[in-house]
Amino acid sequence: DQQVKQNSPSLSVQEGRISILNCDYTNSMFDYFLWYKKYPAEGPTFLISISSIKDKNEDGRFTVFLNKSAKHLSLHIVPSQPGDSAVYFCAASAQKAGNNRKLIWGLGTSLAVNP
Amino acid sequence: DGGITQSPKYLFRKEGQNVTLSCEQNLNHDAMYWYRQDPGQGLRLIYYSQIVNDFQKGDIAEGYSVSREKKESFPLTVTSAQKNPTAFYLCASSRRGGVVSNQPQHFGDGTRLSIL
Repeated sequence: DQQVKQNSPSLSVQEGRISILNCDYTNSMFDYFLWYKKYPAEGPTFLISISSIKDKNEDGRFTVFLNKSAKHLSLHIVPSQPGDSAVYFCAASAQKAGNNRKLIWGLGTSLAVNP
Repeated sequence: DGGITQSPKYLFRKEGQNVTLSCEQNLNHDAMYWYRQDPGQGLRLIYYSQIVNDFQKGDIAEGYSVSREKKESFPLTVTSAQKNPTAFYLCASSRRGGVVSNQPQHFGDGTRLSIL
């Protein structure tokens, strides 16, 4: 049962335009969300995160929006650049007993930014 | 230059053989993790360790073993009991994995394991 869902396996946008990557989750206990970017044959690189006490977090060209009532978050990249072409993973975590946290990962969305 | 080093980059295993994947970090992170990625799938947690000499099973621990004798090192052994070991293995580390600090995980570049 996929608790973190990225329903679009791929996305193609034109250079300079906005890229919007979406992520839905089912577990209402999730209170921390992250986006990672991954190039082929490399490990994921942390991009941006958001706590459930916020609904927006911005870092340069990257903005993450969180809609808790809809259990939905999105990553906006503006403007998109060819170097942004990669697989983007959404991940979420919740506090468990004993202060342990575990990341639950989506399946990823492959973004292609065309020159 | 701090980071996470996984070796080897490519590894081949014969049937019935155990192999060990290396993961070393010089970020002074307390927590370390092993994930497995299969084509078209997200990352699945194999084992994780919050502190030296302690580790916990993740979602798919069967057929794997780990040790955490040093803070910097978290080797993963893929045993012969793992019937489908072909995958891309990723090691990660973070500052304390507890609720106090939601620290992002930093990843190595992975090891691709294949069966001969």
